[in-house]
Amino acid sequence: DGGITQSPKYLFRKEGQNVTLSCEQNLNHDAMYWYRQDPGQGLRLIYYSQIVNDFQKGDIAEGYSVSREKKESFPLTVTSAQKNPTAFYLCASSTRTGYEQYFGPGTRLTVT
Amino acid sequence: QKEVEQDPGPLSVPEGAIVSLNCTYSNSAFQYFMWYRQYSRKGPELLMYTYSSGNKEDGRFTAQVDKSSKYISLFIRDSQPSDSATYLCAMSSGSNTGNQFYFGTGTSLTVIP
Repeated sequence: DGGITQSPKYLFRKEGQNVTLSCEQNLNHDAMYWYRQDPGQGLRLIYYSQIVNDFQKGDIAEGYSVSREKKESFPLTVTSAQKNPTAFYLCASSTRTGYEQYFGPGTRLTVT
Repeated sequence: QKEVEQDPGPLSVPEGAIVSLNCTYSNSAFQYFMWYRQYSRKGPELLMYTYSSGNKEDGRFTAQVDKSSKYISLFIRDSQPSDSATYLCAMSSGSNTGNQFYFGTGTSLTVIP
């Protein structure tokens, strides 16, 4: 089955700790994306990558970091510098000039 | 001004009704238009996509794009309780130099049995 997997589904962390969210795809897509979804705010782009070893900041990159060492993987680290990290995080992928973007099931992060 | 505007609803209809969901946008470079369905606490699921203007039909769903008015619609015929979800519109320019997708905030739909 082709698709995007995100793990874990739920994640709990104490304030001040860094945490890494996993995203893997087997769709052979070049481009991958991280979004944050908060109630009433829609999807906000954190980072995206069009190709391995290259990535670009989105609208709300502060307090986040990413890497793209493999085509299939695009992990997101939520650092202690992110002021309001509690949110639903969605990973997505598409072809490089894609008109179709597919999403993973999401990770719900709670920081207390 | 936001790139994409979508009425958040909520929208509540009886089972069997025709539902119309709409988005407007400001960027004339958008060429690809998508509709997603998102159930609570799940990732968005791609329902339909269209390129440029025109209509596309898939079962009970019809997507319509009017580029001259910068307006897109999703129609759901014979709505079912299982259609209850949040519907997100999305669009992109398809640029090879950095393709970003722009989303509406979503419309919450409830279909009452």
